[in-house]
Amino acid sequence: QKEVEQDPGPLSVPEGAIVSLNCTYSNSAFQYFMWYRQYSRKGPELLMYTYSSGNKEDGRFTAQVDKSSKYISLFIRDSQPSDSATYLCAMEGRRALTFGSGTRLQVQP
Amino acid sequence: DTGVSQNPRHKITKRGQNVTFRCDPISEHNRLYWYRQTLGQGPEFLTYFQNEAQLEKSRLLSDRFSAERPKGSFSTLEIQRTEQGDSAMYLCASVRASTDTQYFGPGTRLTVL
Repeated sequence: QKEVEQDPGPLSVPEGAIVSLNCTYSNSAFQYFMWYRQYSRKGPELLMYTYSSGNKEDGRFTAQVDKSSKYISLFIRDSQPSDSATYLCAMEGRRALTFGSGTRLQVQP
Repeated sequence: DTGVSQNPRHKITKRGQNVTFRCDPISEHNRLYWYRQTLGQGPEFLTYFQNEAQLEKSRLLSDRFSAERPKGSFSTLEIQRTEQGDSAMYLCASVRASTDTQYFGPGTRLTVL
């Protein structure tokens, strides 16, 4: 079993929809939680960074962490075609990041 | 553009050849990481440096792989006697002291024929 599980999708939604992306993890040592966006053939781009349970909002993005359930989520409001990309969750416990496999999102105009 | 640069962006080589990649981190970032990403998977940690010291290596980093960061600035990752299974995207990330945010470069895509 992988330390971080993420549904690979693909997830297809119409423009303007609310998108929910999720990851579960098994390692209690993870303390920092991140979401990266990766466009095809590009490097990952940091979207959100959190270190405690609860919600963190940044524009159209909200990151949610539930350490008791070992579950993190990313919500995207008013999704746009430009949001079409692969979204990677990542977690840090001892310096290096452990990534999920990524969820491919397609926002249809 | 995060400010982390990697060269070359794409490398095609024949099995058995040696290849070397370079990463230039954001200026004054003291930690530098190497990851490998295969199709449909998230990046996997290979190794990291704090300044010029290589502090951790993953079990993924076989003895055919070697990384250096002379003078704590740019870093190189060399793969000797490449195998088809080495085909992947090699990503570099840098981190500023006292933070944990990793900024990734655009990656080097390696294809081993």
